[in-house]
Amino acid sequence: EAGVTQFPSHSVIEKGQTVTLRCDPISGHDNLYWYRRVMGKEIKFLLHFVKESKQDESGMPNNRFLAERTGGTYSTLKVQPAELEDSGVYFCASSHLTGNNSPLHFGNGTRLTVT
Amino acid sequence: QKEVEQDPGPLSVPEGAIVSLNCTYSNSAFQYFMWYRQYSRKGPELLMYTYSSGNKEDGRFTAQVDKSSKYISLFIRDSQPSDSATYLCAMSITGTYKYIFGTGTRLKVLA
Repeated sequence: EAGVTQFPSHSVIEKGQTVTLRCDPISGHDNLYWYRRVMGKEIKFLLHFVKESKQDESGMPNNRFLAERTGGTYSTLKVQPAELEDSGVYFCASSHLTGNNSPLHFGNGTRLTVT
Repeated sequence: QKEVEQDPGPLSVPEGAIVSLNCTYSNSAFQYFMWYRQYSRKGPELLMYTYSSGNKEDGRFTAQVDKSSKYISLFIRDSQPSDSATYLCAMSITGTYKYIFGTGTRLKVLA
């Protein structure tokens, strides 16, 4: 079974530009999550999709971040306009079971550098 | 104060040693406890997933949860150089998917 796939693996953009990150979850996983790790800090939750619906977006930093999951398959996370403090590693994760906790399976992340 | 505290290390041990990695937490509502291993430039890889207090063993790995002390541990027996990685603890409250992570402990196993 293919794991969680993220693209690109690395992105370097200038402040004020737009970047879109993509995540393909494990096939059949209805739950999709975005997490972020900024330098020196712990990995933090951003938001959670169940299929195409946002269940919890309490971790999104501000309205410069927009996540979508059209059709309930892959997801995109857009940062517009990017700021220096947005630099970090953005992880996507997916899980299968609903209604109960089930372990998350993470992708390798997208390393975003804003200069 | 952080909800989850984890010693960042680095921790260096000789090959074959028993390694003990620990996390403490403050929120008594946490019910699910996970350990992830992360190699450089890779994503977190699930090692252990536990719900109740007590021990859970999987090969060379043992996860221990003490809810009364709000303390979890991961033991690695017969450590190998390939175990060199960052180990992350994570926790969640029943019914939610929002994991709270520790900062991770860097482990280096010397051949």
